[in-house]
Amino acid sequence: QSALTQPASVSGSPGQSITISCTGTSSDVGGYNYVSWYQQHPGKAPKLMIYEVNNRPSGVSNRFSGSKSGNTASLTISGLQSEDEADYYCSSYTSSSTLVFGGGTKLTVL
Amino acid sequence: EVQLVESGGGVARPGGSLRLSCAASGFTFEDYGMSWVRQAPGKGLEWVSRINWNGRSTTYADSVKGRFTISRDNAGNSLYLQMNSLRAEDTALYHCARCSTTSCYNWFDPWGQGTLVTVSS
Repeated sequence: QSALTQPASVSGSPGQSITISCTGTSSDVGGYNYVSWYQQHPGKAPKLMIYEVNNRPSGVSNRFSGSKSGNTASLTISGLQSEDEADYYCSSYTSSSTLVFGGGTKLTVL
Repeated sequence: EVQLVESGGGVARPGGSLRLSCAASGFTFEDYGMSWVRQAPGKGLEWVSRINWNGRSTTYADSVKGRFTISRDNAGNSLYLQMNSLRAEDTALYHCARCSTTSCYNWFDPWGQGTLVTVSS
């Protein structure tokens, strides 16, 4: 049950777009469309931002989008805003009937 | 309003036990699978365990298998995590989270604020 691989940090200026990658294997990310993304501000509970690769829950800004190619999923945030500064985690179902998270990515808005 | 409130955290000795609880409100509890996810201080999220809607199907991360037991009381709208043989590496904030369906193989929403477990001698 190795964690999915995410970059430790990414940064961007207000108004720019950034992409966070989440790399797994054919036994998790590549094998299922059960990839989700969570945003976590310091001291807060994680919040669902994307589910099933590319679906946004009600209330989540359309600046957030998801995609997947092979064993790598991606979260793209367009029109960066200061409030987007947070930690982001991906998650996937696995062939072992477990779930696994990525190591997390700290987004800094410059 | 959908709400999950964890309790039961605290300080335990290595080898000791703790029982965490999660009180659910604002939704039909028995319609959803539930999970526990933990976060060590300054670290990332780690999935711990899941349970389906009726409690008959449970799964655990390798790191806690054989030591932790997840259960639920649908009549009382509560989720539990019995933690035995605790280790220092179990120190973390433990969140309960509602799964997307009656089983638990997809997304988590919402999450509770968590209860802190510290394992130390």
